[in-house]
Amino acid sequence: GNSVTQMEGPVTLSEEAFLTINCTYTATGYPSLFWYVQYPGEGLQLLLKATKADDKGSNKGFEATYRKETTSFHLEKGSVQVSDSAVYFCALSIYNTDKLIFGTGTRLQVFP
Amino acid sequence: GAGVSQSPRYKVAKRGQDVALRCDPISGHVSLFWYQQALGQGPEFLTYFQNEAQLDKSGLPSDRFFAERPEGSVSTLKIQRTQQEDSAVYLCASSLGDRPWEAFFGQGTRLTVV
Repeated sequence: GNSVTQMEGPVTLSEEAFLTINCTYTATGYPSLFWYVQYPGEGLQLLLKATKADDKGSNKGFEATYRKETTSFHLEKGSVQVSDSAVYFCALSIYNTDKLIFGTGTRLQVFP
Repeated sequence: GAGVSQSPRYKVAKRGQDVALRCDPISGHVSLFWYQQALGQGPEFLTYFQNEAQLDKSGLPSDRFFAERPEGSVSTLKIQRTQQEDSAVYLCASSLGDRPWEAFFGQGTRLTVV
């Protein structure tokens, strides 16, 4: 079946630290991969996406590379800010389907 | 407002009670999705509408769950005879096209069944 596994949180970092949140997937067909972010009190927002192998998605200083050989899509940021504190969800969608499949989420807490 | 609006934001229901959750999508959005997010979990797909047509209801967990979008705009998710395992945040999302990642999410309705 199709599924997403991501590292458990919370991830606690100091401001300006390097961030990695691991995500791996299993999929039949050709998945597109996504990272979503949920800030406190707000709805889920698409952070970045990659639609084929070796694509790199990037936004707001965050990056993730679609690695087919390791079935991974790890989220990275070189220098986190307090305002990045949120829950991050890795997700996939199979071509020509109507749903997103999410991981369980990773809470990031950044302290000044 | 400009975003997806869900109401109520919080709902407490006694076990066995029926509930109705409302979603007002962004005006003009053709596609509408419902997801269920249990505590500490990621959202799970429930159902998908294109205009008024319910094209996929494969994620509805039981026949106690029913969704409608009669005029292709506002949608209602109804849960009959609520049970404790129905406690979750119910998320609605809408988009112009049919790609699920293009959808904008509402803040959700938190349902607690006691």
